[in-house]
Amino acid sequence: EAQVTQNPRYLITVTGKKLTVTCSQNMNHEYMSWYRQDPGLGLRQIYYSMNVEVTDKGDVPEGYKVSRKEKRNFPLILESPSPNQTSLYFCASKKQGASYNEQFFGPGTRLTVL
Amino acid sequence: RKEVEQDPGPFNVPEGATVAFNCTYSNSASQSFFWYRQDCRKEPKLLMSVYSSGNEDGRFTAQLNRASQYISLLIRDSKLSDSATYLCVVNFRAGGTSYGKLTFGQGTILTVHP
Repeated sequence: EAQVTQNPRYLITVTGKKLTVTCSQNMNHEYMSWYRQDPGLGLRQIYYSMNVEVTDKGDVPEGYKVSRKEKRNFPLILESPSPNQTSLYFCASKKQGASYNEQFFGPGTRLTVL
Repeated sequence: RKEVEQDPGPFNVPEGATVAFNCTYSNSASQSFFWYRQDCRKEPKLLMSVYSSGNEDGRFTAQLNRASQYISLLIRDSKLSDSATYLCVVNFRAGGTSYGKLTFGQGTILTVHP
């Protein structure tokens, strides 16, 4: 089944404790992206990657890191999480080559930073 | 001014009603446009792309007005199952030929009641 998977789905952690949220897709998509969703603010793009070893900042990259060493994986790293990073996070992927290609989302990761 | 703006609603309509949502965008270099649907606490899913000539998919009609920089979604004969949040999404040119930056509106909440 074609899908985007994220792990963990739920995470409660404390301020300053490094964490990684994994994202993997099995559709051989070149493009991958991370978003956070907050009430009243909608979905905001954190980072995106057009292909392996190519990453770019989205609208809200501060406090986050990403890497794209393999085509299928695009982990989101929070080196020193803070309470304002409590949010619902979505990973997404799409095929490059046409601006109207559909973007597929993972099921989301609900992160709480205490 | 936000790059993509939607009326957050909520829109409460009876079954069978026709409802229309609008979305405005500020970047004239925008390349592609979409409507996504998001059910409560779930990932967004593509409802339809929005093409310059306008397009229809069953009960759903999407229109794009590049001169006025707005996008619309019309839902006819509303069903209970149409209750969801509808997200307007714009793909901006992010420098050179990059189309990696996607910007979401904050979403319009629709509730269809019996």
